[in-house]
Amino acid sequence: GNSVTQMEGPVTLSEEAFLTINCTYTATGYPSLFWYVQYPGEGLQLLLKATKADDKGSNKGFEATYRKETTSFHLEKGSVQVSDSAVYFCALEDSGTSYGKLTFGQGTILTVHP
Amino acid sequence: NAGVTQTPKFRILKIGQSMTLQCAQDMNHNYMYWYRQDPGMGLKLIYYSVGAGITDKGEVPNGYNVSRSTTEDFPLRLELAAPSQTSVYFCASRQGQGSTEAFFGQGTRLTVV
Repeated sequence: GNSVTQMEGPVTLSEEAFLTINCTYTATGYPSLFWYVQYPGEGLQLLLKATKADDKGSNKGFEATYRKETTSFHLEKGSVQVSDSAVYFCALEDSGTSYGKLTFGQGTILTVHP
Repeated sequence: NAGVTQTPKFRILKIGQSMTLQCAQDMNHNYMYWYRQDPGMGLKLIYYSVGAGITDKGEVPNGYNVSRSTTEDFPLRLELAAPSQTSVYFCASRQGQGSTEAFFGQGTRLTVV
């Protein structure tokens, strides 16, 4: 079956540091890939997405590139801010008739200090 | 624009009690989902629905039931609550599959004691 593996957390950074959160996946076919973010006390929100190999998703300074050869979708940001502190989830949706069901990684807690 | 609304936000149940978690969306989405989030485990799909009157099991359906009588509402029923059902529950909706965004409610934190 499908699975998503994220790097172990939590991650603690100083403001303006570079961020990488690793995500690898196992799926048949050509899944769509997503990063969702969960701020404290809130539900998940879509951060970015990519639907085919070599696509780059980007939003709010975050980027991730769909790498089919390494089955990865690593999240990066060049300079994090305190307001980026949240839980980040990598997710995939299988190709074909998926009915929009998502498979999530375990989540990575990011804390950014001033 | 309310999006996805879940009630209640918090609840404590005793073992063996029952309850219904409410979920409503105002975006006219056909697809709706219930996920549970356990610490360090990510989200697991409990049940989903592709339209009014149509529901199906997800990865972890045991101990839960759902119904979908309208496009807007997708309640989740817990019968005979057990400590293993202590979790945070999220309802979500999507316009369709593929690149469309899933919209999530704020969650219901349930503790079974």
